[in-house]
Amino acid sequence: DVKVTQSSRYLVKRTGEKVFLECVQDMDHENMFWYRQDPGLGLRLIYFSYDVKMKEKGDIPEGYSVSREKKERFSLILESASTNQTSMYLCASKHGTVQETQYFGPGTRLLVL
Amino acid sequence: AQSVTQPDIHITVSEGASLELRCNYSYGATPYLFWYVQSPGQGLQLLLKYFSGDTLVQGIKGFEAEFKRSQSSFNLRKPSVHWSDAAEYFCAVGAGGFKTIFGAGTRLFVKA
Repeated sequence: DVKVTQSSRYLVKRTGEKVFLECVQDMDHENMFWYRQDPGLGLRLIYFSYDVKMKEKGDIPEGYSVSREKKERFSLILESASTNQTSMYLCASKHGTVQETQYFGPGTRLLVL
Repeated sequence: AQSVTQPDIHITVSEGASLELRCNYSYGATPYLFWYVQSPGQGLQLLLKYFSGDTLVQGIKGFEAEFKRSQSSFNLRKPSVHWSDAAEYFCAVGAGGFKTIFGAGTRLFVKA
């Protein structure tokens, strides 16, 4: 079974802090994704990576950056957390391109005070 | 632009009743379509997907979906709902390359 793990289920941070969200997958997938999930808005893509050290902006990259130094690990970084970044963050990975299934981690619920 | 619309924010059905969740998409080419389910406190799990061929697709947990090109729809159905089906359901379209566009989701409540 594919497994995608996220470093934390819940996080509470203060405005202005630098926040790291870690995601690890164990199926050697080339592609990894970070989404933000908000009620009524579904999932919105923040960033994705199709190879080590390669990244592409998604639909809402502002205020975020990412790092992929190893194939299995994809990190989301909030350079200076703000209250409007309070949300659920989902990591996903998949093999191949558009028709392949995405496998999701359990999510990190981030509260920024 | 590609988009996915799930018209129902939430739906309540009685246990044992049939279920249909609606999904409409906008996409210029032949779409790759998906339904995912998110149980409380969990990530998303694939229920089924459609690329080509038979327009009625069977998935896990007794779900099926029908692709109707003329209506740009991909509705999810289940003949008899169980209490464990209470969850949020997301329709999605493969938007070319690596991207997937998700709908806003429909939350399903099941009453005894």
